Parts: sequence; C-alpha cells; structure tokens
Amino acid sequence: SQQGEEDPQALSIQEGENATMNCSYKTSINNLQWYRQNSGRGLVHLILIRSNEREKHSGRLRVTLDTSKKSSSLLITASRAADTASYFCATSRGVGANSKLTFGKGITLSVRP
Amino acid sequence: GAGVSQSPSNKVTEKGKDVELRCDPISGHTALYWYRQSLGQGLEFLIYFQGNSAPDKSGLPSDRFSAERTGGSVSTLTIQRTQQEDSAVYLCASSLARGRLGEQYFGPGTRLTVT
Repeated sequence: SQQGEEDPQALSIQEGENATMNCSYKTSINNLQWYRQNSGRGLVHLILIRSNEREKHSGRLRVTLDTSKKSSSLLITASRAADTASYFCATSRGVGANSKLTFGKGITLSVRP
Repeated sequence: GAGVSQSPSNKVTEKGKDVELRCDPISGHTALYWYRQSLGQGLEFLIYFQGNSAPDKSGLPSDRFSAERTGGSVSTLTIQRTQQEDSAVYLCASSLARGRLGEQYFGPGTRLTVT
C-alpha cells in the first residue's frame, strides 16, 4: 500500500517561479526522501530529511518535515525547464529491512520556458 | 561501475513465458532492493537483500516472483509464467548498509511488456 500521498498530482509553472510540492504519510518514519524521475525511468535522489529535523536545504531545494502532521513539502526555487520531471516522496522506517522505501504516486511538474 | 546497471533495458515477452531481469549494484553496496512501477501507480517494494542475511520478500506479489543475489553482488529477479499485469518498469537500487543512512541509488530500470 502507498504510504506517501503527494499533492498536487500535477503542477505547471513558468520558468523562474517557485514550485511547492506536498507529501503526507501515515505511519511513523525514520526519514523522508524526495526523488526525481525523468521519462519514467531511473530515480535520482534529491534530498533526505530525518525525523528529528524540521528543515533542510540543498541548492535550490528546500524540504520541510512536520512529524506532528505527518507531512513534508519540497520547494524548488527559481525553477528551470530542466526541472520538468516527476517527483516522489518516499519514507523509510529505519535500518535493515526497515530501510525499504514506501513511495507516493508522484507529482508531475512541468516548467514552461 | 559508476552506478547501478540493469539489463535488459526493455523486454517484451509472451504471456506464460518466464523472464529474468538482472541488476548490478554499485560496488561495495551491501544493500540491494527491487521495486516495481506500474503505469499509473507509484513504486512498490518487492524484495530487499542485505549481505548474507535472509532477504525480505514481503513485497513479492505472488509465488511466481523470486529473486536471488549471488556472491553479495549481482541480483536476478525471475518472473515465472508471466501475466499481462506483470507489465511494468522494474527498478533496482543499492545502498550502503552503514554511513549515509537511507539514500538509495537507482538503476535505469527494465521495462517489461507482457503481450
């Protein structure tokens, strides 16, 4: 079953605008990760935030985590056409067998040049 | 190699045939995962290998699916008597057991089409 639920399901913005994507999950987690997927193939890891962290930055990415609401958001600032892709949040419950990721269905981001 | 590799990249098979999908993880990564991504669905966990420990097979959808990992490196996912609903992209990922917790490195996937 899906753990993460992202919204919106699809987002279309103009180049230069910021893109905000949200994710909610159901059970306790050790960490939450965001991945990007181009053309329905391999996923690229973007950023990981642990359950004891509230905010993290990486370049133009900012991710927040609210464990009380079981939700996370990914902000991409100053978007570029190359950011067009599907974005997935994924949760992990820890190490070993708990390290397996549970994914949401993804958000399709289109950045218009 | 530089990253996780998978073969074949595409596989078309007839219903009822068996298929084998291969994954070469990043050298030194002891954890290996298989996921499946069906059209319109998110990614589903299938199976997890960690070193010499017994694999976590809890995500395998039926007994037609099996996987092995030889020598702690290369893994093969086998689907017997394929069905049309098995059509999907099968993704392999690997990670370090220790060190940077959680980040998984994905291969490009194998797109399986069952006709």
